[in-house]
Amino acid sequence: KAGVTQTPRYLIKTRGQQVTLSCSPISGHRSVSWYQQTPGQGLQFLFEYFSETQRNKGNFPGRFSGRQFSNSRSEMNVSTLELGDSALYLCASSLLGGTSGYSYNEQFFGPGTRLTVL
Amino acid sequence: GENVEQHPSTLSVQEGDSAVIKCTYSDSASNYFPWYKQELGKRPQLIIDIRSNVGEKKDQRIAVTLNKTAKHFSLHITETQPEDSAVYFCAASNDYKLSFGAGTTVTVRA
Repeated sequence: KAGVTQTPRYLIKTRGQQVTLSCSPISGHRSVSWYQQTPGQGLQFLFEYFSETQRNKGNFPGRFSGRQFSNSRSEMNVSTLELGDSALYLCASSLLGGTSGYSYNEQFFGPGTRLTVL
Repeated sequence: GENVEQHPSTLSVQEGDSAVIKCTYSDSASNYFPWYKQELGKRPQLIIDIRSNVGEKKDQRIAVTLNKTAKHFSLHITETQPEDSAVYFCAASNDYKLSFGAGTTVTVRA
């Protein structure tokens, strides 16, 4: 079974631009979560989607948004990029994610997209 | 929201010795506690997890303990080997969201 994939793997943008990152979950997984990883802040939760619905959101500004498609693939968008947005963006998928099942489903991470903002 | 604190931030151990990493969480509703290992340049991978209705879980050289009353949980690695060198993250989940600790960089000295 193919793992979680993310595209692109590397991105270089300039301040003020916007960017869209893509995540394809493991086949059959319906929950996709996004995280920002930086050396100083560790792994920070951005948002989680299940069946095209955002169920939870972390403490990030409105410039960070996402969506999920009917095939469970997900995208996240960052508008008006700032230098501080430079980070590794990881997505993770899990099998079910229902109210009773989410907490007990392993999250499988993708390789990440390394975003550099100049 | 949930706040997870992890200590120590770095840990150096002699090969064959044990390593212990401790985490505390703030939300008493958290009910799932996974541990992830991230090797340099690679994605985080789950190494062990524990549910809130269990106090201890073991998998070969790795064990995790959970104290719900004190709201802390720990990772124990015995007989450490060079391949155990990595960054380890604890996390706590309260449905739909995983909150991670800041990570512990473990270095195993040969």
